[in-house]
Amino acid sequence: AQKITQTQPGMFVQEKEAVTLDCTYDTSDPSYGLFWYKQPSSGEMIFLIYQGSYDQQNATEGRYSLNFQKARKSANLVISASQLGDSAMYFCAMREGGDYKLSFGAGTTVTVRA
Amino acid sequence: EAGVAQSPRYKIIEKRQSVAFWCNPISGHATLYWYQQILGQGPKLLIQFQNNGVVDDSQLPKDRFSAERLKGVDSTLKIQPAKLEDSAVYLCASSVGGWNTEAFFGQGTRLTVV
Repeated sequence: AQKITQTQPGMFVQEKEAVTLDCTYDTSDPSYGLFWYKQPSSGEMIFLIYQGSYDQQNATEGRYSLNFQKARKSANLVISASQLGDSAMYFCAMREGGDYKLSFGAGTTVTVRA
Repeated sequence: EAGVAQSPRYKIIEKRQSVAFWCNPISGHATLYWYQQILGQGPKLLIQFQNNGVVDDSQLPKDRFSAERLKGVDSTLKIQPAKLEDSAVYLCASSVGGWNTEAFFGQGTRLTVV
């Protein structure tokens, strides 16, 4: 079964606007971490933000914030004030507490328009 | 601190040839992952090591792929013989371990099988 689901293959956003990338996950482990990574066209995988299953507050890192809805098993990434350099592929990933396996979704391509 | 090192960066081989990739994780990182990423898709976990033991290799095509982690540090991934569908980027990642720590990625090896 798919552990991480990202249903938006591609999105366009205007520069300086906000964009929300959807991510839903599936696990029965009470301990898990959710991660978002950015992969520009150059190929490197860049860690953006982390949310733990026991965290009470939504994570924020600069222009990135995570809308964590545990009951709905969703962990959407919000990028505020988009910049041209935000154009990239974005991956949602989950690591479960049992075996630390790190599973990725299919990704969402974001294109920022000037 | 030094990041995850991978080599080579690029490799072109003919089908049925063999190839090996090398990964040096961040010092002290107990967990090491190898992923296969086909263009436009999310990374697919091939094998996960915890120190020098295999935690998960359920998606490793064992008839042609093999991997080892030497003394719980460096790792090599081998393909023998290669097929056209093995053309992909092979990513190595490491983490200190635990479900609440991010994984750090190398720059990957882009393999083209012709």
